[in-house]
Parts: sequence; structure tokens; C-alpha cells
Amino acid sequence: DAGVIQSPRHEVTEMGQEVTLRCKPISGHDYLFWYRQTMMRGLELLIYFNNNVPIDDSGMPEDRFSAKMPNASFSTLKIQPSEPRDSAVYFCASSLSTNYEQYFGPGTRLTVT
Amino acid sequence: AQTVTQSQPEMSVQEAETVTLSCTYDTSESDYYLFWYKQPPSRQMILVIRQEAYKQQNATENRFSVNFQKAAKSFSLKISDSQLGDAAMYFCAYIYMNRDDKIIFGKGTRLHILP
Repeated sequence: DAGVIQSPRHEVTEMGQEVTLRCKPISGHDYLFWYRQTMMRGLELLIYFNNNVPIDDSGMPEDRFSAKMPNASFSTLKIQPSEPRDSAVYFCASSLSTNYEQYFGPGTRLTVT
Repeated sequence: AQTVTQSQPEMSVQEAETVTLSCTYDTSESDYYLFWYKQPPSRQMILVIRQEAYKQQNATENRFSVNFQKAAKSFSLKISDSQLGDAAMYFCAYIYMNRDDKIIFGKGTRLHILP
């Protein structure tokens, strides 16, 4: 398996623009997680899905953030409008419910200017 | 509320020596999972080891082993025969997936390997 795939790897955008991050989980995994990592706040869980259904989005910072999982092999995290404080590395991870071992993608480094 | 504490922001160890990273957590649950993840400079998060709380036996993966003390709520990671490639940020994580799911990562310990 190719592991968790994220795109793009790097994104630079201007404040106010819409940003869409993409994730393809490991085939067969039934959990998908979105995290944000910054120096100041560390690794924060934003939202996670089980069998494509959002279970807990309490970590989503505000209404500008939204996430979808239209099928078992694809998820998006959208920020609209983006702000400089959204600059961070965004990770997607997937796991099985049998052991909850999370496998992370390479991350997307987002810079909002 | 569940918390995960890694009290050592940074540590250093001589190559080929053994080092132990500490992690404590707070929970009222009895059935949960604990993990150690490694994040090298490439920023890729890599699973190192998993421990189920219901198992008394400490998990081991090659040079990596844990000391799981359930009553003390302690979950330390021991790295034997340290190698230069072990230099990374190490995160301890607590996962409880039931009626009140909790997924909590510690702040991390940066490990330096001295040649």
C-alpha cells in the first residue's frame, strides 16, 4: 500500500483565498483524522470520521474550516477564507478500529500571506 | 479530563547508549490505547509502538520498548543502542474510543543523538 496520500505538499496563498487540502487514506481503514501542527500549539486534532461519517469536529477552530469525506478513499479539509494564523502543517491520518494505530500522511505545509 | 504530559522538552543521548523518554497521562477509563510516535526532521509522523491498557505485558519493537505502569498512569519509551537516525521529536498519545472518544497527543520530547 502507498500509505496515506496528501496533496498538495506545500500551499502558499493570500489571505482571503479559499484553500482545499486533500487526503486519500489507506485502503480498508475506517477512521480518518485531520490534524494541525504549529510550534505554538503542537499537534491539534481538528476532526475525525468513522466510515465516512464525521464523529467529532470540536477541534475545528471556527466556521471558516470545513471537512468532508464523500467516500472511503477521499477527504478534503477546506478553509474559506484563509487567514495568516491558519499557517501550519496539516496532517491527515487513517486507522483501523481494531487497533487505532494511526498512519499519517506526509502533511501539507500551508502558508497564508 | 484526560491529559498527556511529557515532562522532558529535550533530551540528549550518546550514540549506542540507552535513553528513556517519559510520559504520564490522566484518565478515569480502564480500556484505552497508548502510542509513541516519532517525527524526524522530514516531519513525517511515524508510529513507533502501541500498548493496549488491558495488556500487562510491555510492548517491544526491536530496539524500542515501553514501561507501562497502569496504576501510576505512566508510559515511558526506552530506546536501546541509540542510533543517529533516532534523532527526532517523540510524541506520546492516548486514545480512548468509546462513548466519549478522546485522542490526545503530548507536547513532545526532542531527542538529540550525540555521535
